[in-house]
Amino acid sequence: DQQVKQNSPSLSVQEGRISILNCDYTNSMFDYFLWYKKYPAEGPTFLISISSIKDKNEDGRFTVFLNKSAKHLSLHIVPSQPGDSAVYFCAATPNAGGTSYGKLTFGQGTILTVHP
Amino acid sequence: ETGVTQTPRHLVMGMTNKKSLKCEQHLGHNAMYWYKQSAKKPLELMFVYNFKEQTENNSVPSRFSPECPNSSHLFLHLHTLQPEDSALYLCASSQETSPLHFGNGTRLTVT
Repeated sequence: DQQVKQNSPSLSVQEGRISILNCDYTNSMFDYFLWYKKYPAEGPTFLISISSIKDKNEDGRFTVFLNKSAKHLSLHIVPSQPGDSAVYFCAATPNAGGTSYGKLTFGQGTILTVHP
Repeated sequence: ETGVTQTPRHLVMGMTNKKSLKCEQHLGHNAMYWYKQSAKKPLELMFVYNFKEQTENNSVPSRFSPECPNSSHLFLHLHTLQPEDSALYLCASSQETSPLHFGNGTRLTVT
């Protein structure tokens, strides 16, 4: 059973508008959440993270929101740019320190396409 | 060279072959990982090494054999694989609470 789910396989957005990518999880032990971005023929690259003690974390155009009671997080990209077109993965881990930060459970990914 | 480097980028092997995937990290990290991404499935953790010691084997079949001679190098030895083992194999490294840094992966095809 998948513990991290990204129910939208793809999302298409106009340049300059907001992109909202969603992620749901089932394991209540998850305490730390990350978003990774992947371009074709490259490995995933870290984008932004959030700890369960927060409900929002912002980094430039990227904001992650966490709703613990709903076991839901979302990534907002404002404004969206064509270079943001990539696959976005949500990931989670129990916050036990050390290598637990690397033992991630990933969602299936959402393909974001930003049209000029 | 910086980051996490994986070789080869592409590999085609028969079911009776023996091959190895190589990963090298230039980030000074102490932990290294193997992840697998099969078609239409999420990335799945395979192995974790911390200071050269294996700390996690995520129920991976014995036809996959990892080796970590030092904190900078990680290998995945492959033997008698099955066609369903065809996938993208990703190496990653991390240090303490830093996020994972991934390599670009090896695209493996088993014929």
